[in-house]
Amino acid sequence: DQQVKQNSPSLSVQEGRISILNCDYTNSMFDYFLWYKKYPAEGPTFLISISSIKDKNEDGRFTVFLNKSAKHLSLHIVPSQPGDSAVYFCAASEGGTASKLTFGTGTRLQVTL
Amino acid sequence: DAGITQSPRHKVTETGTPVTLRCHQTENHRYMYWYRQDPGHGLRLIHYSYGVKDTDKGEVSDGYSVSRSKTEDFLLTLESATSSQTSVYFCAISVDRGSTIAYEQYFGPGTRLTVT
Repeated sequence: DQQVKQNSPSLSVQEGRISILNCDYTNSMFDYFLWYKKYPAEGPTFLISISSIKDKNEDGRFTVFLNKSAKHLSLHIVPSQPGDSAVYFCAASEGGTASKLTFGTGTRLQVTL
Repeated sequence: DAGITQSPRHKVTETGTPVTLRCHQTENHRYMYWYRQDPGHGLRLIHYSYGVKDTDKGEVSDGYSVSRSKTEDFLLTLESATSSQTSVYFCAISVDRGSTIAYEQYFGPGTRLTVT
């Protein structure tokens, strides 16, 4: 039972354009959402997060949008750069003392010149 | 950089042999986690620890045990490795923030384990 879903395994975007990565979840108890970026042979690195009390959070070129009624979040990267080429994981937490994360399956983003 | 190292970085072992993976952190955070990453599954939590000798199971704990005898080290053991445990294993920590911890987790570089 995949509680966090990333239905697009891959995405190709031209440099300078917007990249939009999508994530859906089924567990209504999730109250915090995160995006991680992963390069080959490295560990995931934290990118940006959003609390369920917000619908948008922005950090430089990265913006995360949360639509709780649709149980959907998205990550926008503007403008996309070749260095953004990586696998992006969406993750969610129910909070609590352990802050355990449930991850999606990932979307591979390729930014072309 | 949360000062997380993992050893070994790569290992090939035979079915039925015991294997121990080590995670080491330099900042004495209470919470540490072990995940495995597999194609089509993302990262899945195996076990986590909330202090010395305090551990609990995650989503995919069968076939794995953990130990934490020191704050800085969190060990993952495959008692008898199977081919289904071929995977990339990541350790992570959550940063302490007073009486709570941050939601964000910071990951080590991973260990690629192949069970033949």
